[in-house]
Amino acid sequence: EIVMTQSPATLSVSPGERATLSCRASQSVRSNLAWYQQKPGQAPRLLIYDASTRVTGIPARFSGSGSGTEFTLTISSLQSEDFALYYCHQYNNWPPRDTFGPGTKVAVK
Amino acid sequence: EVQLVESGGGLVQPGGSLRLSCAASGFMFNYYDMHWVRQTAGEGLEWVSGVGTEGDTHYSPSVMGRFTISRENGKNSLHLQMNSLRAGDTAVYFCAKAGRRGHGDQGGFDIRGEGTVVTVSS
Repeated sequence: EIVMTQSPATLSVSPGERATLSCRASQSVRSNLAWYQQKPGQAPRLLIYDASTRVTGIPARFSGSGSGTEFTLTISSLQSEDFALYYCHQYNNWPPRDTFGPGTKVAVK
Repeated sequence: EVQLVESGGGLVQPGGSLRLSCAASGFMFNYYDMHWVRQTAGEGLEWVSGVGTEGDTHYSPSVMGRFTISRENGKNSLHLQMNSLRAGDTAVYFCAKAGRRGHGDQGGFDIRGEGTVVTVSS
């Protein structure tokens, strides 16, 4: 099983600042990585897939980078609605053996 | 607009069964691989099962032999028959479509519904 880790567990940021979230895979997943945002009581919302492709309708302040085992989600200028939980997800295999990271909480500083 | 509406959750005793359903709309259902993903407070998100556009079925080791996924393309529906339920199956279950059409080419999961809550307890 590919184990996904995320750091930090909590990121305290002020509105308008830049947030950088990290995700690491225990083995290469190439670019088969997605990022999700989840707010309390809501389903996870797909933001980025294929490591760096933004889903239609997602603001340009969200960007993804990386390949292999190291990935980054950057939020360039945090808005109030961006304070949430963020997960990474690898989908490198078919038949599927997908796994998710434990999440990073972006909190108000 | 893509809509995925889950139903069928509830409270069940250990060893019992439940059948979850997902009503899909707003996209060409038969062109997408479909999945079930669950979320617990303690364990986060977990992929449970998937069914490809060709009808091939796949399961997490934790549910293999107990759960059965199926799809009805004519009704734009996805199902998950859950047997021999355990306390560890307690979670919110989400229906998810692959982020990209085509067999085995996922592009992440598009999760739109509120999920359905499954509680396994005596």
